[in-house]
This record gives sequence, C-alpha cells and structure tokens, in this order.
Amino acid sequence: GQNIDQPTEMTATEGAIVQINCTYQTSGFNGLFWYQQHAGEAPTFLSYNVLDGLEEKGRFSSFLSRSKGYSYLLLKELQMKDSASYLCAVKSPHTDKLIFGTGTRLQVFP
Amino acid sequence: EAGVVQSPRYKIIEKKQPVAFWCNPISGHNTLYWYLQNLGQGPELLIRYENEEAVDDSQLPKDRFSAERLKGVDSTLKIQPAELGDSAVYLCASSLGGPHSPLHFGNGTRLTVT
Repeated sequence: GQNIDQPTEMTATEGAIVQINCTYQTSGFNGLFWYQQHAGEAPTFLSYNVLDGLEEKGRFSSFLSRSKGYSYLLLKELQMKDSASYLCAVKSPHTDKLIFGTGTRLQVFP
Repeated sequence: EAGVVQSPRYKIIEKKQPVAFWCNPISGHNTLYWYLQNLGQGPELLIRYENEEAVDDSQLPKDRFSAERLKGVDSTLKIQPAELGDSAVYLCASSLGGPHSPLHFGNGTRLTVT
C-alpha cells in the first residue's frame, strides 16, 4: 500500500527555523518532492530528493533517508509569506505516479 | 514561460448537471495530469496522459467522469452528471516526463455542486 504521513499543522515565529517531517511507506520509490501551496493557489515545486542527503536551496533545505523512509523540509529565517501548506509527495517507479501526503499547514506569527 | 492555464477558475452547478474543465499545459510538456484536491487534503491523481494517450486512469470514476487530450496538448475533464460529493478543486499539472521532472500545477477550478 501507499502511506505518506506528515503533521497536520505547525506554528512558528518569524525569523525562526522550522522542520517539517514526512515519513513514507510506498511500494517502490523513485524520488521525493516537496511542494508549497498557499490557500486558494496552485502547489509550487520546492525541492526534489532521490539520493540520501541534504539538498539546499536558499532558505529551504530538504533531507532524505531512503533506508528510514524519511524526509524533512527545513525552512530558515521564516517570513510571514512562508505561511502555507507544505506537501510531501513520493514518485512511484512503476507508474510514474506522484502520490501526495495530506500536507502540513504552517502558520508563521510575528 | 507561461504556466499551466486552467479555466474556469470557479464553477457552481446544481447536482445532476454536466460540467467541463479545460487545461492548457506548459508548451513542450508531453505529460499532463488531472488531480482532485479536497479541502485540507493532498491532491489525488485522476488521470495521467503521455501525449494523447491516457496511461493511468485507474482512479478516474468512469461512470461519470471522462477526459480527453485529442491533439496531445490541451485537455478537457468532464463530469456528467455531477454529484454533491464532487465539490472540490480540480488541478491540472504538466511535466516534461520522466522520474525526475517536477509537476507544474495550474491554479485549479473550484467546483461547487449544490
């Protein structure tokens, strides 16, 4: 079966660092994507990991451990505009399908 | 480059009525997806196209939903007849294809069935 788990909600303070975790159990793995989605808008691509380790892109970093079925998205120097839902998604190698978790709603407070 | 374009942005219909959504993918993107997103949930795949061929429609409720991508570019998703439970956001996405290519999403069509 396919199972992707993320916390439902998180809160953080402007300027702080927040880590959003994602665990997955899927039949096959061909990469993990993180997307950001503001309310009422389209999901936008943030990062992609296929090998173990950390990928850094500005204030955002994403980590993957394939043996543990675990990833996290790290957001540094939080800004109010970072308030959004963050979606973890796993690519299936057999169908090329992208399977999404339910998303983590992050609220950043001043 | 222009992004994925969807229309209409919002649609309100009565149950049992038909409805259609349109999507124009990013130029050069051969792979096109239709996803459904309920409030507070992640997107769920309905159908995936490689050019004009539907390569994964296993989660499309075929009794009432249909889709087409006749020339391998634009796509239309139709519901006939609509039910109350179909109220959701319908997202279209496109990609270059292959395992490493990210999906690029349109802004979606928010459907309300009354």
